[in-house]
Amino acid sequence: TQLLEQSPQFLSIQEGENLTVYCNSSSVFSSLQWYRQEPGEGPVLLVTVVTGGEVKKLKRLTFQFGDARKDSSLHITAAQPGDTGLYLCAGKPTGFQKLVFGTGTRLLVSP
Amino acid sequence: DVKVTQSSRYLVKRTGEKVFLECVQDMDHENMFWYRQDPGLGLRLIYFSYDVKMKEKGDIPEGYSVSREKKERFSLILESASTNQTSMYLCASSSTRASNYGYTFGSGTRLTVV
Repeated sequence: TQLLEQSPQFLSIQEGENLTVYCNSSSVFSSLQWYRQEPGEGPVLLVTVVTGGEVKKLKRLTFQFGDARKDSSLHITAAQPGDTGLYLCAGKPTGFQKLVFGTGTRLLVSP
Repeated sequence: DVKVTQSSRYLVKRTGEKVFLECVQDMDHENMFWYRQDPGLGLRLIYFSYDVKMKEKGDIPEGYSVSREKKERFSLILESASTNQTSMYLCASSSTRASNYGYTFGSGTRLTVV
């Protein structure tokens, strides 16, 4: 069974702080996605990383795919209250269309 | 704007009722999925479909069935609703052809069984 462990599970910070969320597995994935989910809504895709070592930036969010394609990180610079939500990583096993979802990180950014 | 539409945002049903949750996507995606999301348990896959009239069981199919008669529509059926099926239900779709593979989710249906 493929698992994706996210850490931390919960994070409560002040506006302006930086943070990093980790997504780890013992399995190799052909790609990895990050989603953000706001209360009462479905998850929204933020980014897909495909190549080992790849780094993508989305404004203040930086995503990295591990060299071995088993792990990923999400770094947020100068967090804002609008960043509040549940962050989910998801890995795509090679040859499969069904994603493996991480356990989730709940982020609260206070003004 | 491409989207996945779930027919209801909130539903309240009685124990024993047959419940239909509808999901429609307008992106010509081949793959469609039904998940439930519960606090502390994350997203759990109920059923998925890679093509019309095709279905496969996910991790927790018991008490559920699905129907995919048309490519754009994937229905989840609770044969006899029970209180332990109270949950947030999420539908998603994806394309095998997409270079940057990812799911598009609907807004969810919060189902309460009383």
